[in-house]
Amino acid sequence: KQEVTQIPAALSVPEGENLVLNCSFTDSAIYNLQWFRQDPGKGLTSLLLIQSSQREQTSGRLNASLDKSSGRSTLYIAASQPGDSATYLCAVGSSNTGKLIFGQGTTLQVKP
Amino acid sequence: DVKVTQSSRYLVKRTGEKVFLECVQDMDHENMFWYRQDPGLGLRLIYFSYDVKMKEKGDIPEGYSVSREKKERFSLILESASTNQTSMYLCASSPRTGNQPQHFGDGTRLSIL
Repeated sequence: KQEVTQIPAALSVPEGENLVLNCSFTDSAIYNLQWFRQDPGKGLTSLLLIQSSQREQTSGRLNASLDKSSGRSTLYIAASQPGDSATYLCAVGSSNTGKLIFGQGTTLQVKP
Repeated sequence: DVKVTQSSRYLVKRTGEKVFLECVQDMDHENMFWYRQDPGLGLRLIYFSYDVKMKEKGDIPEGYSVSREKKERFSLILESASTNQTSMYLCASSPRTGNQPQHFGDGTRLSIL
């Protein structure tokens, strides 16, 4: 059974730092991996989706990488800003049904 | 932009009531999902649907049922609400092809007293 883990559970950094969020999964036979952002009391917003055949995806200051063989993905945030403060979740799709298995998230605080 | 609308942001119901949570999407997506989110447990899939009148159980279907009579609408039903169903409920939709992101509503914070 696929399990998705995100460490650390919480992270606090000063504004301007580059940072990396980690996601690991137990079964390398994945269909895709998605990163989401969740603001307090809100739903999830899709940030990046990496297909199983891809190694990375970029959107603005965000870069997500995927290493299936080691069961790991990272989300790199460049030049962090207070507006980046949120919970970041990764989710693994194991088939083309669209179903996802989520990690528990990393709560990021960027201090001005 | 895809919009997924959940009918209520906050809802308070009593134990034993039948509760309906409604979700509507405006992008003609085939797939729709219901999750619950609890501290320490993360997001867990309750049910999903890949077409009208089609449904499949997720990881925690007990105590819940769903209805999808129209493509744009997916309803979650708590047959007889219990206090352990107090939670944040999130609806999502995506196209049939698996390599498309899921789009989420803003959630319904449900309290069962």
